[in-house]
Amino acid sequence: KAGVTQTPRYLIKTRGQQVTLSCSPISGHRSVSWYQQTPGQGLQFLFEYFSETQRNKGNFPGRFSGRQFSNSRSEMNVSTLELGDSALYLCASSPVGGGAPVGYNEQFFGPGTRLTVL
Amino acid sequence: AQSVTQLGSHVSVSEGALVLLRCNYSSSVPPYLFWYVQYPNQGLQLLLKYTSAATLVKGINGFEAEFKKSETSFHLTKPSAHMSDAAEYFCAVSVSGGGADGLTFGKGTHLIIQP
Repeated sequence: KAGVTQTPRYLIKTRGQQVTLSCSPISGHRSVSWYQQTPGQGLQFLFEYFSETQRNKGNFPGRFSGRQFSNSRSEMNVSTLELGDSALYLCASSPVGGGAPVGYNEQFFGPGTRLTVL
Repeated sequence: AQSVTQLGSHVSVSEGALVLLRCNYSSSVPPYLFWYVQYPNQGLQLLLKYTSAATLVKGINGFEAEFKKSETSFHLTKPSAHMSDAAEYFCAVSVSGGGADGLTFGKGTHLIIQP
């Protein structure tokens, strides 16, 4: 099976712009989670989608949003970029069933998209 | 809410020596615990997980971890370090019905293997 893919791998934007990152989960996985990784804050949970619905959300401002399509592919969007948004954004998919909590089943991570905001 | 503390941002061991990476968690309900490894410029790979079945969990690449409820710990060990083990290791926790928290990660431990 192909792993989790993320596009693009690298992105450079300027403050105030918006950006969309894409994630294709492992075939058959219906849960997709997004994480932000920075040297200062470490790995932080952004949100999780399951069957096109946001099921869980971390403590991030409304500038961070996401969606999931019927084929389970997911996108996350960051509007009005700030310097502090520079980070590695990781997507993870999981073969979770409808009743299992996020993280009960292992999450399979993509290589990430490195976003640099200038 | 749950939290994870990893003691030691950097751990250095000699090749062939015991690897011990420490993880303590805080959770008001029984947790699910995970160890992930991250190699440079890559995503995270699951090493092992604890989901209340057995307290001693064996993972890939010779790693294992023991869940100790009384100590709220889930330390990662490997009897003999190999150069290829050099990487960043993350301990993570989730709880049943975790709500908004998803996976909560520790800050990570950078494992250095000395030849």
